[in-house]
Amino acid sequence: GAVVSQHPSRVICKSGTSVKIECRSLDFQATTMFWYRQFPKQSLMLMATSNEGSKATYEQGVEKDKFLINHASLTLSTLTVTSAHPEDSSFYICSARKGETQYFGPGTRLLVL
Amino acid sequence: GDSVTQMEGPVTLSEEAFLTINCTYTATGYPSLFWYVQYPGEGLQLLLKATKADDKGSNKGFEATYRKETTSFHLEKGSVQVSDSAVYFCALTHSGGGADGLTFGKGTHLIIQP
Repeated sequence: GAVVSQHPSRVICKSGTSVKIECRSLDFQATTMFWYRQFPKQSLMLMATSNEGSKATYEQGVEKDKFLINHASLTLSTLTVTSAHPEDSSFYICSARKGETQYFGPGTRLLVL
Repeated sequence: GDSVTQMEGPVTLSEEAFLTINCTYTATGYPSLFWYVQYPGEGLQLLLKATKADDKGSNKGFEATYRKETTSFHLEKGSVQVSDSAVYFCALTHSGGGADGLTFGKGTHLIIQP
């Protein structure tokens, strides 16, 4: 199989705080992971590509200093939303690459008050 | 840039009905095309894919054919079941699905009634 988990599944935080979201490939190693963001009734939008042992590649318009990505091992990538604000409230989804297929995590719902 | 357009939902059908979910795309070159499905409370799962023109992807009774002349990749199933109720996403990428991120449509919520 190819299972990807995310933690937490749901988080509520105060404006100005930082939140870390973990993405793990449970039964395979992934040199490449992806982070997506989904607004209500909208598409999943690719935020960044995370490569193990190197810097993430961010899509145009995504602030790399606000959305910090670390891919320190072959099974874990983290997304840290720094100094979160209400407009950062969204559904964040990761995927991990195995061969030519991306396997998705269940997503993390972030609510910033 | 690349984009994917799907028919708006929700789509409500009776069990054993024929299903079509339309998907068209705008992209340069020859992208690979995908259908992902998201069941309630679960992550997106790859349903089927096609990597070149005229290829047909199929899985679990679902089919979609890569039509370059109409830039389409419509999803079809001959007889739907209640268990097919989910959100379906059409997507594309330029690398075969692995190295590059995916561009998704907005998703179509399918509801199958007994």
